[in-house]
Amino acid sequence: EPEVTQTPSHQVTQMGQEVILRCVPISNHLYFYWYRQILGQKVEFLVSFYNNEISEKSEIFDDQFSVERPDGSNFTLKIRSTKLEDSAMYFCASSDDRVAQETQYFGPGTRLLVL
Amino acid sequence: GNSVTQMEGPVTLSEEAFLTINCTYTATGYPSLFWYVQYPGEGLQLLLKATKADDKGSNKGFEATYRKETTSFHLEKGSVQVSDSAVYFCALRSNFGNEKLTFGTGTRLTIIP
Repeated sequence: EPEVTQTPSHQVTQMGQEVILRCVPISNHLYFYWYRQILGQKVEFLVSFYNNEISEKSEIFDDQFSVERPDGSNFTLKIRSTKLEDSAMYFCASSDDRVAQETQYFGPGTRLLVL
Repeated sequence: GNSVTQMEGPVTLSEEAFLTINCTYTATGYPSLFWYVQYPGEGLQLLLKATKADDKGSNKGFEATYRKETTSFHLEKGSVQVSDSAVYFCALRSNFGNEKLTFGTGTRLTIIP
């Protein structure tokens, strides 16, 4: 069964450093998403991406964040100048369509720890 | 805006007990509703969904019915197993071109043998 994959599974970084989180969505999907889950809190939407551009973003997704689909398979989230409060589990998701009924399939997540 | 209110956890049950995890929502229009499950050390997996009023989603013995009149989507299972121990998230997705999933806070379920 096709699945979303994410690398690395864990990332530890120093405050102020840049990190890139990588995702490989399901191959025939066209819509891509990033969510995060701060420990003990709810899963929060960050950004959605379609046709090589951002289609929606939350207030969390400020200039510190960027997304890119550098090739036909990878989808990346870059966090510049990381802060302590960026420590969280980051989930990538993909879907076949943007309609409400369509399921978003999630990857296993990258746990980011900023020291 | 859209929101999901989920039963606070943690919930601890004995094996073979009946499970209910409450979920209510606020949304404009007619959203689609989802239950996702997160097993220890793993990511989010879709458990079941319902896309219109009175639909019942079901999977692995779990069920949830989309109740528009009470804006609810409660998760139920008749006889839980130790392997059902996980965190359960209720979520909605609007049908007004808003692509994101809005999640509840999650309910941690522990089943004791």
